[in-house]
Amino acid sequence: SAVISQKPSRDICQRGTSLTIQCQVDSQVTMMFWYRQQPGQSLTLIATANQGSEATYESGFVIDKFPISRPNLTFSTLTVSNMSPEDSSIYLCSVEDALERTDTQYFGPGTRLTVL
Amino acid sequence: AQSVSQHNHHVILSEAASLELGCNYSYGGTVNLFWYVQYPGQHLQLLLKYFSGDPLVKGIKGFEAEFIKSKFSFNLRKPSVQWSDTAEYFCAGKRTGGFKTIFGAGTRLFVKA
Repeated sequence: SAVISQKPSRDICQRGTSLTIQCQVDSQVTMMFWYRQQPGQSLTLIATANQGSEATYESGFVIDKFPISRPNLTFSTLTVSNMSPEDSSIYLCSVEDALERTDTQYFGPGTRLTVL
Repeated sequence: AQSVSQHNHHVILSEAASLELGCNYSYGGTVNLFWYVQYPGQHLQLLLKYFSGDPLVKGIKGFEAEFIKSKFSFNLRKPSVQWSDTAEYFCAGKRTGGFKTIFGAGTRLFVKA
């Protein structure tokens, strides 16, 4: 299993600004993911954070809007750039250890973002 | 296209009632199926999962789910719910050997004491 922490837990931001969310895992993991969970909706995968290379983005999400870093096997950041009220959501970091071969994902507590 | 659909968005039950939450998937090939749960104020966590073998899988807190391949279903059941089962439940699927897990829309369960 893995224990994941995220910072900040919540934030209120002004339109046009950017926010960087940090995800820290207590062990080295192969796969890290960033999800968005909008009010009343399911989890939508934004991207897979790849260690040492560019993130892999899902349809509808682009690097300019959601730049991601993953400098090592325990840490990743997601930046929400040039925010608008439509970006208000919960952002979740998730990990999966391919070496475990269980396909089980472990989730962080989420970052609740409100954009005014 | 791969998809996971959940039948009910909101369910309200009294304690001791039986629970069944529907989940259907659309995948080509073999698929691994999951139920995740998010209790109020807590992280999403795994409730149970099916990879292969016995289609009836048991998870934590008395939950079970049955994989019915002919119906493309993976319904979650519990014979007698408790107030502490109040949570949001997500069905999810992942193609065997794939990278991406697809989540259903979630079902909010409220159990009245």
